[in-house]
Amino acid sequence: EAQVTQNPRYLITVTGKKLTVTCSQNMNHEYMSWYRQDPGLGLRQIYYSMNVEVTDKGDVPEGYKVSRKEKRNFPLILESPSPNQTSLYFCASSYAPGHNEQYFGPGTRLTVT
Amino acid sequence: GENVGLHLPTLSVQEGDNSIINCAYSNSASDYFIWYKQESGKGPQFIIDIRSNMDKRQGQRVTVLLNKTVKHLSLQIAATQPGDSAVYFCAENCIGSNYKLTFGKGTLLTVNP
Repeated sequence: EAQVTQNPRYLITVTGKKLTVTCSQNMNHEYMSWYRQDPGLGLRQIYYSMNVEVTDKGDVPEGYKVSRKEKRNFPLILESPSPNQTSLYFCASSYAPGHNEQYFGPGTRLTVT
Repeated sequence: GENVGLHLPTLSVQEGDNSIINCAYSNSASDYFIWYKQESGKGPQFIIDIRSNMDKRQGQRVTVLLNKTVKHLSLQIAATQPGDSAVYFCAENCIGSNYKLTFGKGTLLTVNP
């Protein structure tokens, strides 16, 4: 089944404790992206990747890192999480950069206390 | 996803009625306009897109209308069903903007049986 998977689905952590949210797609997509979703603010792009070893900042990259060592994986790293990073996070992929149809993962609910 | 529906414009319709969800966009240089649907607890899902040089496009039970004069986009859902209850996002794709999709805030559609 074609899908984007994220882990963990739910995470409660404390300020400053490094964490990684994994994202994997099995569709051989070139383009991958991370979004955060907050009430009243909609979906905002954090980072994106147009292919292996090619990543770039989105609209809200501060406090986040990403890597794209393999085509299928695009982990999101929070080196020192803070409470303002409490949010619902989505990973997405598409066949190519600029493709309108992005496939989204199920989301990761992160709470930073 | 959870609590995504807070702070959103809402539309409540009866099952079987037609629904019209509206979106105002800002970037007249966008190349495509897209509609996504997000059911509770899930990631957004692509519904339909329209190129900026078109004014209407039809899909299965959905029609998207684009009025570039007033920068307005709408999604019409025919014979709305309970399974259509979700948050609906419009998005813009400006190819020259690093292939980024810019999402609107969303509209919560509730279908009453």
